[in-house]
Amino acid sequence: EPEVTQTPSHQVTQMGQEVILRCVPISNHLYFYWYRQILGQKVEFLVSFYNNEISEKSEIFDDQFSVERPDGSNFTLKIRSTKLEDSAMYFCASSAGALATYSNQPQHFGDGTRLSIL
Amino acid sequence: GQQVMQIPQYQHVQEGEDFTTYCNSSTTLSNIQWYKQRPGGHPVFLIQLVKSGEVKKQKRLTFQFGEAKKNSSLHITATQTTDVGTYFCAGPKTSYDKVIFGPGTSLSVIP
Repeated sequence: EPEVTQTPSHQVTQMGQEVILRCVPISNHLYFYWYRQILGQKVEFLVSFYNNEISEKSEIFDDQFSVERPDGSNFTLKIRSTKLEDSAMYFCASSAGALATYSNQPQHFGDGTRLSIL
Repeated sequence: GQQVMQIPQYQHVQEGEDFTTYCNSSTTLSNIQWYKQRPGGHPVFLIQLVKSGEVKKQKRLTFQFGEAKKNSSLHITATQTTDVGTYFCAGPKTSYDKVIFGPGTSLSVIP
């Protein structure tokens, strides 16, 4: 079964440094998402991306965050100047269609990247 | 902004007992999705409900979507140790792709 893959599985970074989290969505999927989950807490939406542009973003997704689809397969999340509170598990997800539709368009999640800011 | 709430936060049951988690949104949802996350794992899609009043079953799991499309429930009959994990409801607002997850209900099953 096709999977969403994320690298690295664990990233340790000094506060203030830039970090890039990488994701390879399922190949025929058109919609891409980033979420974060602070340990023991709920999954928080960051951003959705379709047709090479951001379609929705949350209040968390401020100017320090950016997303890119640099080629036909990768989808990246960049945090420009990391803060201690950015420490979390970051999940990438993809879906074949839009989520707010009346057809069954599930999101498939990757295993996540655990980001630890020191 | 839109809020999605779930109760209870935690539930400990004896194996074989039933379990129910309830989900409420402050706004109407175009659909409701349910996910299961095992400890240390990632959310795994279980089901999507679209129609007002819809009920769907998956083996021992029964999912309901409320008439007003603002609440939902997941019921597990005769829990097993493999049911352990956190169950999240999630929903996009009508016509938006911003999916809001509930805080989850963490289920423990005592063998």
